[in-house]
Amino acid sequence: DAKTTQPNSMESNEEEPVHLPCNHSTISGTDYIHWYRQLPSQGPEYVIHGLTSNVNNRMASLAIAEDRKSSTLILHRATLRDAAVYYCILRDVNYGQNFVFGPGTRLSVLP
Amino acid sequence: AAGVIQSPRHLIKEKRETATLKCYPIPRHDTVYWYQQGPGQDPQFLISFYEKMQSDKGSIPDRFSAQQFSDYHSELNMSSLELGDSALYFCASSAEGTTQETQYFGPGTRLLVL
Repeated sequence: DAKTTQPNSMESNEEEPVHLPCNHSTISGTDYIHWYRQLPSQGPEYVIHGLTSNVNNRMASLAIAEDRKSSTLILHRATLRDAAVYYCILRDVNYGQNFVFGPGTRLSVLP
Repeated sequence: AAGVIQSPRHLIKEKRETATLKCYPIPRHDTVYWYQQGPGQDPQFLISFYEKMQSDKGSIPDRFSAQQFSDYHSELNMSSLELGDSALYFCASSAEGTTQETQYFGPGTRLLVL
């Protein structure tokens, strides 16, 4: 699996937007970009995924750079419940079922 | 909506004992994954099953074995437990054929080896 690089930690104020960056300069054409998050003492939770186009769902938006070497997870209005470790993971569409969780970004949300 | 069920939620064992963790996937999910998360670490993939056959293998010790049954539930058997096996064990399930097979994780089993 191609490697991703994320900041170790970020802080946000409650009700403000949060932009979580992920660099993946060695991404291949068949790698999907997945985002999962893990709240304290819970299992990882699916957030969003995409291939080339920007994606939106009820939880977040995913902005993918045109060259696909980076992406940004956008939480439109951070809440205290969004405090978690966010993982950006690449997975080839053709093989590799398991996810490789690397160091993610620990997001703190300040009231 | 139904989620992944894991049992037990907490388990305390002595060194050299055995432990069995159970995972019940979301209904109609045919793929199960096991992950181990040590204290302060990221989840590490152990093993996965699709339609009762092992489909992928990660850093699972030889002392561990797992299987998926006809009702798609899975069990992780751990023998000769060591102190270093103390961790959170997560099970995840997915439905083969769905877009990029989103994995849904259970709440985990916290294993403490004394």
